[in-house]
Amino acid sequence: DSGVTQTPKHLITATGQRVTLRCSPRSGDLSVYWYQQSLDQGLQFLIQYYNGEERAKGNILERFSAQQFPDLHSELNLSSLELGDSALYFCASSPLTFGTGKNIQYFGAGTRLSVL
Amino acid sequence: GENVEQHPSTLSVQEGDSAVIKCTYSDSASNYFPWYKQELGKGPQLIIDIRSNVGEKKDQRIAVTLNKTAKHFSLHITETQPEDSAVYFCAADQGGSEKLVFGKGTKLTVNP
Repeated sequence: DSGVTQTPKHLITATGQRVTLRCSPRSGDLSVYWYQQSLDQGLQFLIQYYNGEERAKGNILERFSAQQFPDLHSELNLSSLELGDSALYFCASSPLTFGTGKNIQYFGAGTRLSVL
Repeated sequence: GENVEQHPSTLSVQEGDSAVIKCTYSDSASNYFPWYKQELGKGPQLIIDIRSNVGEKKDQRIAVTLNKTAKHFSLHITETQPEDSAVYFCAADQGGSEKLVFGKGTKLTVNP
């Protein structure tokens, strides 16, 4: 068990809908990362938050947004869902590692999103 | 930006044999190279990592080698066991930042 908790495990919804994925990082970890994993694209970095602030952005669509709350949990919001958004969404957290050159990321078990 | 290529995409070995997975990266500023193992229905789990100031690191049956000049790094698993069957991902940090760029994964099957 990595210590990173993601809910829900599975989500089935229809095109055009909006969903929220939740992530609780490991105790003490300030950074949270979101990834999308699809069969043909591998693990794609979406966005990173550090202590409540957006720190880095990857290939995140404008229909997607995220935030990190004061208690450090994070939510990924996906709106106007399309069939192609069906994928596994992973959250990872990492401790403060600035300047160490070693960014260990611990992954949750993921949320499987199916858009029908 | 960083690009990480991983080969092979699938690998099948007999139990007890060795398995080698290779990755190349493009960003010469990358300093940190982790390897993750993902079992079916689970999230990726860090199994070993290496920093750019080290050429090789070993942990029991798993070893990683890094050639910074050639910009490639490899995962070596010796005496493979059926429980080693999983998808393995390599990654590299982008420009020494906190962002990791992942390879597309290698599905390793260890046949009993």
